[in-house]
Amino acid sequence: DAGITQSPRYKITETGRQVTLMCHQTWSHSYMFWYRQDLGHGLRLIYYSAAADITDKGEVPDGYVVSRSKTENFPLTLESATRSQTSVYFCATSSLAGTDTQYFGPGTRLTVL
Amino acid sequence: QKEVEQNSGPLSVPEGAIASLNCTYSDRGSQSFFWYRQYSGKSPELIMFIYSNGDKEDGRFTAQLNKASQYVSLLIRDSQPSDSATYLCAVNLNSGNTPLVFGKGTRLSVIA
Repeated sequence: DAGITQSPRYKITETGRQVTLMCHQTWSHSYMFWYRQDLGHGLRLIYYSAAADITDKGEVPDGYVVSRSKTENFPLTLESATRSQTSVYFCATSSLAGTDTQYFGPGTRLTVL
Repeated sequence: QKEVEQNSGPLSVPEGAIASLNCTYSDRGSQSFFWYRQYSGKSPELIMFIYSNGDKEDGRFTAQLNKASQYVSLLIRDSQPSDSATYLCAVNLNSGNTPLVFGKGTRLSVIA
């Protein structure tokens, strides 16, 4: 049982390119989340989804796009990557948004040159 | 602004001592509180959660919640070098079905 997987684990891209980070879960949790983690800022929520086809903005959504056509997948797209989007990205899942444990994927380290 | 505050540390304690990690939150109506541990280069993993005022113990870990003071803490007894990590406090600030808000974390260093 893989739980949560993220791909790729490492990605280097250039400014202006489109990048998609993938997140897949095998638990059928309703909620999925995307965070970025930067030194000095901690974990910041980008977007989250309560179910297929239901998404909502988090604290730092600008420059990112999400979709959730299937319960198990929650891709995060950077439509035109900028250097400020260099970060570690974590996907997480939970049964409920705020009252249940969130489980984190292994993370994707993204570098934008 | 709704916030979760933690001292960034580093907090250094000798091996075998008690490490005390603290977290304050802004919303008096918060109901759910979580402590995560994150090793360098790894993803956060749940240590424990607490919902009610008072203490909750799990092995060497004790979570303490004081809703009146809007304060939650994590005590680690008999600290080991393997406990060296960043500890994240997370709170359900709106007490509804909204995402957890994470503190920036406290870095703990246990010195052998």
